[in-house]
Amino acid sequence: GENVEQHPSTLSVQEGDSAVIKCTYSDSASNYFPWYKQELGKRPQLIIDIRSNVGEKKDQRIAVTLNKTAKHFSLHITETQPEDSAVYFCAASKQSSWGKLQFGAGTQVVVTP
Amino acid sequence: GAVVSQHPSWVICKSGTSVKIECRSLDFQATTMFWYRQFPKQSLMLMATSNEGSKATYEQGVEKDKFLINHASLTLSTLTVTSAHPEDSSFYICSARPTDRDTGELFFGEGSRLTVL
Repeated sequence: GENVEQHPSTLSVQEGDSAVIKCTYSDSASNYFPWYKQELGKRPQLIIDIRSNVGEKKDQRIAVTLNKTAKHFSLHITETQPEDSAVYFCAASKQSSWGKLQFGAGTQVVVTP
Repeated sequence: GAVVSQHPSWVICKSGTSVKIECRSLDFQATTMFWYRQFPKQSLMLMATSNEGSKATYEQGVEKDKFLINHASLTLSTLTVTSAHPEDSSFYICSARPTDRDTGELFFGEGSRLTVL
């Protein structure tokens, strides 16, 4: 089955700097890659997603890149703010089993003022 | 749109009792719902796929007799933790995929924190 690895496990950045989180996946059939933000005790919130027919997607300060050949995708947060502090999860799924997400281990992001 | 509601948000029970958690899609129909379990500071682990009108599909290592899933309608799935023990204490989160969207996007419930004494 699919295996998603996520790095780093923790990331501390100064406010205003950029944060990058990287994930790799094992199943070449995976074609949907969402990123979720989860605050303590809350539900995961989708922040951005990308499909395998696209190499990059951007939404204001957040961007995701996908390299299908290398089977890795990354989340980029620019101009970080304290409210960006949370746990971020990458995930992967394939159309044959839509919704069956395999999550990465998560990255605890701490943005210090 | 696309709101998923989960109830209760937290529950404390005695060892040996059973606890039912409900997951409802409020403004869409969901043929398929998913149940995840999350331990503190860990990732979400898929427990089972809940299929409306048929049996749930359990992931390897998840006891189907321990975690009973019922998906009786297109808007409701329930997870019952039977004969709960302290090791069942966890954060349980459901998610749902709108039947009329072929996008893969999932919507999560608020989660239910179970504490077994």
